[in-house]
Amino acid sequence: GAGVSQSPSNKVTEKGKDVELRCDPISGHTALYWYRQSLGQGLEFLIYFQGNSAPDKSGLPSDRFSAERTGGSVSTLTIQRTQQEDSAVYLCASSSPGGDGYTFGSGTRLTVV
Amino acid sequence: QKEVEQDPGPLSVPEGAIVSLNCTYSNSAFQYFMWYRQYSRKGPELLMYTYSSGNKEDGRFTAQVDKSSKYISLFIRDSQPSDSATYLCAMRYSGGGADGLTFGKGTHLIIQP
Repeated sequence: GAGVSQSPSNKVTEKGKDVELRCDPISGHTALYWYRQSLGQGLEFLIYFQGNSAPDKSGLPSDRFSAERTGGSVSTLTIQRTQQEDSAVYLCASSSPGGDGYTFGSGTRLTVV
Repeated sequence: QKEVEQDPGPLSVPEGAIVSLNCTYSNSAFQYFMWYRQYSRKGPELLMYTYSSGNKEDGRFTAQVDKSSKYISLFIRDSQPSDSATYLCAMRYSGGGADGLTFGKGTHLIIQP
């Protein structure tokens, strides 16, 4: 596609439920990133995929968070047993090999009630 | 000390004014510097990209890097209400690709008509 696509754009879930957030990167972009942005906070790195290499999971805040990337394209971020502090905007970005900067999606606004 | 410091604002200026946005950083290994613009409920979009020290101009926007002072700036001339957004600085080490960006928290800019 022309840009990075994320779905859903908004998600309201009850505390304790699991959620799945989807990211469809730009075709041909081998690198894919997940970030979390909370009100008044900067971009918090979560996880990074590059081609077929093992992902860099160093930013995942707890074992309730996991992500996968199938076929080097679409990625899914899963949050299990959601907590209220998980409420934030989850941003996905992709970049091309040797590319300059990232292209971000519009994000998924997650609200845990 | 955080790696990248950025005043969150808000910074409010009248239309037509020159705007100066700044970031300081602590790691002298950063070589590539970027500015992203983020409108409300949208993902960040790459605005300017510079390598090492010096100036880069693109229309009404000028990015300036002073590596000796570990200080980067974005200037906006003839500011417009449509420039109202959050501006995030980002930087990375030398080496290919766009992985490993470190972001500032962003400055919220308001241009008053």
